[in-house]
Amino acid sequence: KNEVEQSPQNLTAQEGEFITINCSYSVGISALHWLQQHPGGGIVSLFMLSSGKKKHGRLIATINIQEKHSSLHITASHPRDSAVYICAVKASGSRLTFGEGTQLTVNP
Amino acid sequence: DVKVTQSSRYLVKRTGEKVFLECVQDMDHENMFWYRQDPGLGLRLIYFSYDVKMKEKGDIPEGYSVSREKKERFSLILESASTNQTSMYLCASSFLWTATNEKLFFGSGTQLSVL
Repeated sequence: KNEVEQSPQNLTAQEGEFITINCSYSVGISALHWLQQHPGGGIVSLFMLSSGKKKHGRLIATINIQEKHSSLHITASHPRDSAVYICAVKASGSRLTFGEGTQLTVNP
Repeated sequence: DVKVTQSSRYLVKRTGEKVFLECVQDMDHENMFWYRQDPGLGLRLIYFSYDVKMKEKGDIPEGYSVSREKKERFSLILESASTNQTSMYLCASSFLWTATNEKLFFGSGTQLSVL
């Protein structure tokens, strides 16, 4: 079993829909990152969370440390949100362990 | 804006060749990382460095070495390239603003094909 599990693996939505991507992990962590990877490879850091909730524009990330679970929500989704969303956890030091990613496609 | 620059976007090498992948960041970050990304496996850490001349093995260091002679530059070396090292290689740097606020920055990646 991977230390970091994301669901779903693939998600297709219509423009305007509310989207949720989930991340569960099996180890104690100090922080969790959400990343976005567009076609062509470039990865952008969206959030780092150690507790509670963060919001940036239409993106909201939450984390429940007790349940070892985080969610990334996208409100009013748009085709430009189409990307791979990656969850990564930091258990100790500077190392991150990554999930396999969720491929999101938003159709117009 | 912080920039992490990888020297090549695409690279084709032959089995047995020595390969150098270069990464430069322009924001004085202590931490730098090399990952490889393969379908179905996600990103896996090869090596990381938390200061000049310091390095630590990641999860899959076999067949790789690294060099960090200057703070801004972190090089990944494939001593003798093999076909199973065909992959997307991503360099990253990070800065810890506070204990709970770290920013990660990634390069655009180098797609290496070993024939």
